[in-house]
Amino acid sequence: SALTQPASVSGSPGQSITISCTGTNNDVGGYNYVSWYQQHPGKAPKLMIYDVNKRPSGVSNRFSGSKSGNTASLTISGLQAEDEADYYCSSYADSSTLPYVFGTGTKVTVL
Amino acid sequence: QVQLVESGGGVVQPGGSLRLSCAASGFTFYNFGFHWVRQAPGKGLEWVAFILFDGTNKYYADSVKGRFTISRDNSRNTLYLQMSSLRAEDTAVYYCAKEKYFDVLTKFYSPLDSWGQGTLVTVSS
Repeated sequence: SALTQPASVSGSPGQSITISCTGTNNDVGGYNYVSWYQQHPGKAPKLMIYDVNKRPSGVSNRFSGSKSGNTASLTISGLQAEDEADYYCSSYADSSTLPYVFGTGTKVTVL
Repeated sequence: QVQLVESGGGVVQPGGSLRLSCAASGFTFYNFGFHWVRQAPGKGLEWVAFILFDGTNKYYADSVKGRFTISRDNSRNTLYLQMSSLRAEDTAVYYCAKEKYFDVLTKFYSPLDSWGQGTLVTVSS
């Protein structure tokens, strides 16, 4: 089933925010295969973090990822207006029914 | 640069069929596996299907298994999703997405580093 994320997180420009992504031992906790995607309204998702804490080229170093146990986290530092978007985590899952699972999604609002 | 362009979406009646295409350019198509991911209106992302770089392995979400078929034509640099027995709950924007790397452990999972713009499928009478 879907990984659990908070429905919304907000912060002021320049602040740091963290989005959590909670799974189980069979997905987030069992593998270093967590990715994070940013999606602006009406647009396709964009890969921001992969393999827990790696950044694709071209992604700002204001975005960072980590994991502890069954919970992964995405931190956005120095929050900017253009960071306002939906964010989804994803993970490999040791499951024959749904081996690729996404999080429920978090709406980030820049106040 | 990498470009993925989906087509084939539209309105279809429940029980009907539709074939989506995803035309790729800007990279060596046959070296990469691909996924289809969908997003129902106002909802989150849902993984649908995966095909290995050479087409020999395919995986499906339980929600579409037996109704959807993923395939590819490496000579045409094109990915497909044949959808049949469509239901109202299949209504969504369908995205094709390219894997970032081949994972030797799972032979399946990869971050998705390039996505198409999506094509809307509406199942309604």
